[in-house]
Amino acid sequence: KNEVEQSPQNLTAQEGEFITINCSYSVGISALHWLQQHPGGGIVSLFMLSSGKKKHGRLIATINIQEKHSSLHITASHPRDSAVYICAVRSWRTSGSRLTFGEGTQLTVNP
Amino acid sequence: DVKVTQSSRYLVKRTGEKVFLECVQDMDHENMFWYRQDPGLGLRLIYFSYDVKMKEKGDIPEGYSVSREKKERFSLILESASTNQTSMYLCASSGEGGGSNYNEQFFGPGTRLTVL
Repeated sequence: KNEVEQSPQNLTAQEGEFITINCSYSVGISALHWLQQHPGGGIVSLFMLSSGKKKHGRLIATINIQEKHSSLHITASHPRDSAVYICAVRSWRTSGSRLTFGEGTQLTVNP
Repeated sequence: DVKVTQSSRYLVKRTGEKVFLECVQDMDHENMFWYRQDPGLGLRLIYFSYDVKMKEKGDIPEGYSVSREKKERFSLILESASTNQTSMYLCASSGEGGGSNYNEQFFGPGTRLTVL
């Protein structure tokens, strides 16, 4: 079993829909990251959080440390949101700022 | 803005060739990472470095080596390229200490390597 599990693996939505991507992890962590990767492009960091909730524009990330679970929400989705969304954690037992990654969620938003 | 650059976006090599992938960051970051990304497997850590001349193996170091002679530059070396090393290679860097970007990893654009 992977230390970081994401669901769903693939998600197709219509423009304007509310989207949720989930991330569960099995280790104690000091931080959780949400990353975005567009086709052919590099990876950009969306959020880094260790508790509570963060919001940036139409994106909201939440984390529940007790339940070892995080969600990424996209409100009023748009075709430009189509990308792979990756959850990654920094666990207490790994050295440096090493991250463990989920496999990613491929999101497609249709117009 | 943090900038992480990689020497090539696309690279085609032959089996048995020695391959060098270079990564440069301009934010004086202590930590640098090399990952490979394959469909269905996500990002996997090959090697990382937390200081000049220091390196640690990641999850899949076999067939690879690294070099960090200067703080801003981290090189990934495929001593004898094989077809199963065809992949997307991503470099990242992160800093230590405080600040809002503490521990955030910044990624390069990636190098898509094909080994024939």
